[in-house]
Amino acid sequence: AQTVTQSQPEMSVQEAETVTLSCTYDTSESNYYLFWYKQPPSRQMILVIRQEAYKQQNATENRFSVNFQKAAKSFSLKISDSQLGDTAMYFCAFMKHVSSGDKLTFGTGTRLAVRP
Amino acid sequence: NAGVMQNPRHLVRRRGQEARLRCSPMKGHSHVYWYRQLPEEGLKFMVYLQKENIIDESGMPKERFSAEFPKEGPSILRIQQVVRGDSAAYFCASSPLQVSTYEQYFGPGTRLTVT
Repeated sequence: AQTVTQSQPEMSVQEAETVTLSCTYDTSESNYYLFWYKQPPSRQMILVIRQEAYKQQNATENRFSVNFQKAAKSFSLKISDSQLGDTAMYFCAFMKHVSSGDKLTFGTGTRLAVRP
Repeated sequence: NAGVMQNPRHLVRRRGQEARLRCSPMKGHSHVYWYRQLPEEGLKFMVYLQKENIIDESGMPKERFSAEFPKEGPSILRIQQVVRGDSAAYFCASSPLQVSTYEQYFGPGTRLTVT
């Protein structure tokens, strides 16, 4: 079974600064996907960024980037130029690579507050 | 293209009643997943369905919970004889038959309150 660990229950960052959220996972799978989801106060789950394990290059989406260390089983999220709208819960998630799709395994989340 | 629809958004039930939660996947999506989020916790997988088939129900409680995704109509998560511990947000997600991106699209959730 897969496990996902987010060791930072809460984080705070000044607007326009950079913050990094940590995530580690445990799996015996060699091919899988990793995700960061954002859950604002509206509770809607929004995909922030996705990483395929077979790709060595770290994924980036505008102000969001990841540091994927496969050997260390680490998948951190960096948010640059933080904005007030980034205030939310952030969940790291794991999915096995299965041709027909598979479930997501989530971490417990990090609550990020962006200070004006 | 409308997103994943869930209804109702809020549902209040008394202990012992039944709760029915509905999920309409995005157009063209044939995979549906249900997740539960207890207060101040992450999402936990419950069940994965394709049309008329349960693919993985390893996260479903053994009793009182059932799910279906009929050929026509929405997916239904049914909770019989609800208890206070069932109070949670229930999220549905869908993905297309061709899972090349492996992205799951989430609905807005149904918040169930058991009184």
